[in-house]
Amino acid sequence: SQTIHQWPATLVQPVGSPLSLECTVEGTSNPNLYWYRQAAGRGLQLLFYSVGIGQISSEVPQNLSASRPQDRQFILSSKKLLLSDSGFYLCAWSVRRVNYGYTFGSGTRLTVV
Amino acid sequence: SQKIEQNSEALNIQEGKTATLTCNYTNYSPAYLQWYRQDPGRGPVFLLLIRENEKEKRKERLKVTFDTTLKQSLFHITASQPADSATYLCALVSGGYNKLIFGAGTRLAVHP
Repeated sequence: SQTIHQWPATLVQPVGSPLSLECTVEGTSNPNLYWYRQAAGRGLQLLFYSVGIGQISSEVPQNLSASRPQDRQFILSSKKLLLSDSGFYLCAWSVRRVNYGYTFGSGTRLTVV
Repeated sequence: SQKIEQNSEALNIQEGKTATLTCNYTNYSPAYLQWYRQDPGRGPVFLLLIRENEKEKRKERLKVTFDTTLKQSLFHITASQPADSATYLCALVSGGYNKLIFGAGTRLAVHP
């Protein structure tokens, strides 16, 4: 069966520090991969998506970047965190069709202090 | 611009009643609409998908309707239970690559 792993679960980082969040998927090949952010009490905002190794599309200009070094690995990074980067970060995968739901990871709660 | 609206106020109902949640959208012509459940501090969980040519979809105690003329989807939970308490998110495919745009969600509280 397919599983998605996301870590760490919680993270407290000072302003100006770097960030690396990792997401891996098991049990499937060639998944579409997505990074979302959810601010407190708000909806999910799509940050990045990828349809293949090395292919990244950004949805909103921001202080973050993403990479997909392997088929089932998706990384969210920042060189210098801002207070506004705080939030709940979610990784998700889907098959390469438009009529299937997403499977989300358990999320990372990031607090920038 | 494209917009998805869900009632931001929490919905409080009594156990055993039917909960009905609303999702309205503008400036979209989605071929698919999805509903997810999210518990506090957890990632959303996919519940149901409905296509534009399907008026209604059922799964156990869940029912979803999709009215492309009204640009609205209704999500029903029949015989609701306290375990159904959660935030329910509506999502639409936007553009290619199965990109989903989510509403802010409606929190449902089912009271014994």
